[in-house]
Amino acid sequence: NAGVTQTPKFQVLKTGQSMTLQCAQDMNHEYMSWYRQDPGMGLRLIHYSVGAGITDQGEVPNGYNVSRSTTEDFPLRLLSAAPSQTSVYFCASRSLTSSYEQYFGPGTRLTVT
Amino acid sequence: AQKITQTQPGMFVQEKEAVTLDCTYDTSDPSYGLFWYKQPSSGEMIFLIYQGSYDQQNATEGRYSLNFQKARKSANLVISASQLGDSAMYFCAMREGADSNYQLIWGAGTKLIIKP
Repeated sequence: NAGVTQTPKFQVLKTGQSMTLQCAQDMNHEYMSWYRQDPGMGLRLIHYSVGAGITDQGEVPNGYNVSRSTTEDFPLRLLSAAPSQTSVYFCASRSLTSSYEQYFGPGTRLTVT
Repeated sequence: AQKITQTQPGMFVQEKEAVTLDCTYDTSDPSYGLFWYKQPSSGEMIFLIYQGSYDQQNATEGRYSLNFQKARKSANLVISASQLGDSAMYFCAMREGADSNYQLIWGAGTKLIIKP
């Protein structure tokens, strides 16, 4: 049981480049989400999904796209990277029907130069 | 207004002492819950403890307990007999409403350093 996995662990991009952060979970969780973590701040929600085919915006969605074609996968796309998107990104999942615990991936540290 | 406030940016505590990390919250919803997560220097987020607004007793998980005071809107984390491995960032988070597709609201965190 791998839980929540994220790839890559580290990434450096140049301004204007695009890329996709991958997230997968094997717990059959309906809910998946993406957060960013910046120094001195709590986690901020970027996008979330309550099931395949359903996504919605969180607190800081600008510059990011998501899709949820399967229960397991929830990729985050950076359309045109900006230095302000330098951050640590966490993917998380939880069940909508049992337990409140949210499970986190190990994080992706992204630097945009 | 901040919904979750952690007033201690950093704390130093002597090993084996008890630690209390503060968390105050703001909500008008009668159904809500408070979470505590630990983030060690390695970066992963580790779930510690959860308390629902309707739970009658304070939650406990091993050395962790939640001092839940609804009237004061506080949900402080208490760590008994601190250990060097407790050094980490600690985050308080809240869910609001009875709906299952809630979004968590996070505090800014407290950096705890345990001194030997």
